[in-house]
Amino acid sequence: DAGVIQSPRHEVTEMGQEVTLRCKPISGHNSLFWYRQTMMRGLELLIYFNNNVPIDDSGMPEDRFSAKMPNASFSTLKIQPSEPRDSAVYFCASTQGTWQGYTFGSGTRLTVV
Amino acid sequence: AQSVTQLDSQVPVFEEAPVELRCNYSSSVSVYLFWYVQYPNQGLQLLLKYLSGSTLVESINGFEAEFNKSQTSFHLRKPSVHISDTAEYFCAVSGRGGSNYKLTFGKGTLLTVNP
Repeated sequence: DAGVIQSPRHEVTEMGQEVTLRCKPISGHNSLFWYRQTMMRGLELLIYFNNNVPIDDSGMPEDRFSAKMPNASFSTLKIQPSEPRDSAVYFCASTQGTWQGYTFGSGTRLTVV
Repeated sequence: AQSVTQLDSQVPVFEEAPVELRCNYSSSVSVYLFWYVQYPNQGLQLLLKYLSGSTLVESINGFEAEFNKSQTSFHLRKPSVHISDTAEYFCAVSGRGGSNYKLTFGKGTLLTVNP
């Protein structure tokens, strides 16, 4: 398996623009997670899905953030409009169950200028 | 709910020295415990995990961690570190079974191995 695949690896955008981050989980994994990592706040769980259904989105910072999982092999995280404080590395992870641990993607480094 | 405290944000050591990265957790239920490693500009990789059984678990690259239930700790150790071990290390905890899908991560410990 190719692992968890995230795209793009790097994104630079101007404040106010819409940004869409993409994730393909490992086939057969039924849980998917979106994390944000910054120096100041460390790793923050934004949202997680189980069997394509959002279970907990309490970590989504505000209405500018939205996430979807239309099928078992694809998820998106959208920020609209983007702001400089959204600059961070965004990770996607998937698992069949927490006893396995998570498999993380390589992340998307987002810079909003 | 669970929480994780990594007691040291940075640990500098010299090559071939021993190292211990400390992790304490709190939980009202039984737990699974994990250590992840993050190399620069990469995602987190699972290093080792404790699920049940022997309280001492090992990774393929010489790290080990011991689950201590009475002290609610899961410290990571290596008897002799290499330059290539320089990375950030994250401790994580999850409740067992049922609908416990969430891993709760500590804030990380940056291990820097100097020549």
